[in-house]
Amino acid sequence: GQQLNQSPQSMFIQEGEDVSMNCTSSSIFNTWLWYKQDPGEGPVLLIALYKAGELTSNGRLTAQFGITRKDSFLNISASIPSDVGIYFCAGRPNYGGSQGNLIFGKGTKLSVKP
Amino acid sequence: GAGVSQSPSNKVTEKGKDVELRCDPISGHTALYWYRQRLGQGLEFLIYFQGNSAPDKSGLPSDRFSAERTGESVSTLTIQRTQQEDSAVYLCASSLMVIDNEQFFGPGTRLTVL
Repeated sequence: GQQLNQSPQSMFIQEGEDVSMNCTSSSIFNTWLWYKQDPGEGPVLLIALYKAGELTSNGRLTAQFGITRKDSFLNISASIPSDVGIYFCAGRPNYGGSQGNLIFGKGTKLSVKP
Repeated sequence: GAGVSQSPSNKVTEKGKDVELRCDPISGHTALYWYRQRLGQGLEFLIYFQGNSAPDKSGLPSDRFSAERTGESVSTLTIQRTQQEDSAVYLCASSLMVIDNEQFFGPGTRLTVL
């Protein structure tokens, strides 16, 4: 089935550093979403992107919908300890059929050293 | 309640037994989704319900998996004759409508099949 390649798989950074992660797909997506999951919790939506080229910010988070519609990135500036968690990209592919089906990447595990 | 709730939070069962997982969506949300998350992996779509429409079962991995939803309320995911590879966290999410991208997730049910 459809796959999303998310990288890096994990990151261990110093507090205050900036973070960048990305997702790519082999086919076109209509929507890109970025979620964060804390241990024992369900994912929480951080940013949603709906148009190619769109750049959206949410506090220290910035995400972009790639021009080719096959990729997206998420940046976190000036990381803090509470940024720790697993970040997932998700997208809705541009093919007929299930409109409800979101495809998820495998996640980027972020660890922040105070 | 204010969010999506799931029960039980943890379930340990023996191989070959049937299990039922429950999801209470946010009141008023017409769409409900089930996902499976294996350890260290992303979310794998299983099934979604939208109002009174026929559910999209395209993600169910085998005929041992089934789900029901009563109207626009509670849903149950049933796994018959559980296998060890069914061990995972099962996440439920709901949204106002299927095309609404903001899916709100519950905390999940951690299933362990011995």
